[in-house]
Amino acid sequence: KAGVTQTPRYLIKTRGQQVTLSCSPISGHRSVSWYQQTPGQGLQFLFEYFSETQRNKGNFPGRFSGRQFSNSRSEMNVSTLELGDSALYLCASRREGGTEQYFGPGTRLTVT
Amino acid sequence: AQKVTQAQTEISVVEKEDVTLDCVYETRDTTYYLFWYKQPPSGELVFLIRRNSFDEQNEISGRYSWNFQKSTSSFNFTITASQVVDSAVYFCALSLNSGYSTLTFGKGTMLLVSP
Repeated sequence: KAGVTQTPRYLIKTRGQQVTLSCSPISGHRSVSWYQQTPGQGLQFLFEYFSETQRNKGNFPGRFSGRQFSNSRSEMNVSTLELGDSALYLCASRREGGTEQYFGPGTRLTVT
Repeated sequence: AQKVTQAQTEISVVEKEDVTLDCVYETRDTTYYLFWYKQPPSGELVFLIRRNSFDEQNEISGRYSWNFQKSTSSFNFTITASQVVDSAVYFCALSLNSGYSTLTFGKGTMLLVSP
């Protein structure tokens, strides 16, 4: 079974721009979560989607948003990028009823 | 609020040594899950083990073993006979029964195994 895939793997953007990251979960997994990893703050939960609905949201500003499609693929969007948004963005999927999450390779975003 | 503390920032061992990674957690919930993840240089978080709050039985899986003690809120992870390929950052994480997908992570412990 294929794992979680994320595209693109690397991205360089300029302050003020917006960016969209994509995540395809493991087949059959309907829950998709997003995490931000930075050297200073570590791994922080952004949000979770299940059946196209946002179920949980972490403590991030409204510039961070996401959505999930009917095939469970998810996208997250960051608008008006700031230098502090430079991070590794990890997506994870989980099967319904399961507890462990399986992570993708991440998208490394650099904001200059 | 939940909190996970990994006091060891970095550990260096020589191949074949045993190494224990410490994890202390805080939560007021009675039902929760604890996890260990490994993050090699490639960046992907790899799921290793899971334990729920009702099961304090300690287990061994290959070279991995874990010691879960609710009395001290600790969930320590041991690698026996370490190998160079074990070099990575190891994260301890906690999720509540009501929100499986909201993982609270510790800051991680970087393990360096030298030949």
